[in-house]
Amino acid sequence: NAGVMQNPRHLVRRRGQEARLRCSPMKGHSHVYWYRQLPEEGLKFMVYLQKENIIDESGMPKERFSAEFPKEGPSILRIQQVVRGDSAAYFCASSPTIQGVGEQYFGPGTRLTVT
Amino acid sequence: GEDVEQSLFLSVREGDSSVINCTYTDSSSTYLYWYKQEPGAGLQLLTYIFSNMDMKQDQRLTVLLNKKDKHLSLRIADTQTGDSAIYFCAESRITGGGNKLTFGTGTQLKVEL
Repeated sequence: NAGVMQNPRHLVRRRGQEARLRCSPMKGHSHVYWYRQLPEEGLKFMVYLQKENIIDESGMPKERFSAEFPKEGPSILRIQQVVRGDSAAYFCASSPTIQGVGEQYFGPGTRLTVT
Repeated sequence: GEDVEQSLFLSVREGDSSVINCTYTDSSSTYLYWYKQEPGAGLQLLTYIFSNMDMKQDQRLTVLLNKKDKHLSLRIADTQTGDSAIYFCAESRITGGGNKLTFGTGTQLKVEL
């Protein structure tokens, strides 16, 4: 059973461009979380999705950021018109359930650099 | 509110025990977790403890929870150079909105020979 996959692992964008980050959850997992890690900081929750639904986007900036988890295919985190402050590591985690421990399995992350 | 704090650095000698501390503020936390992050990698779940437990032991790892003081610790026995990493504690509340984790700032553990 492959783990959580994220691609690309590294992404360089110039200011004003768009960044698309992909996350394929573990097989059988229908819950996806996105977190952002700024340099020298811990991870901050951004959004929680189930298939075709955004459940909690309380950690997502109101503008330029969007997320989806379609019926088929990976979850996508999209950042429009990137700025230098968007440079960070973006981690995706998946979980089979929100019951009990609700253990989250993390992907290796996408490191976004905005130049 | 939700806030999780950790000290930034810890240095120990190989073979000694390491104790990494964490304080949290959300008294309704259901589970508390310890994650390990190696350079350039994602987070690896090390262990977790349910909020109604005081202690959990798993091989070299011992987790202690003082719910009254909202204090969590991770003890690593016989620390090895391979344990050098950043350790994050995290708390969660399971609600209809999912199992959102709130992470501490991380403690960088350096193991010296």
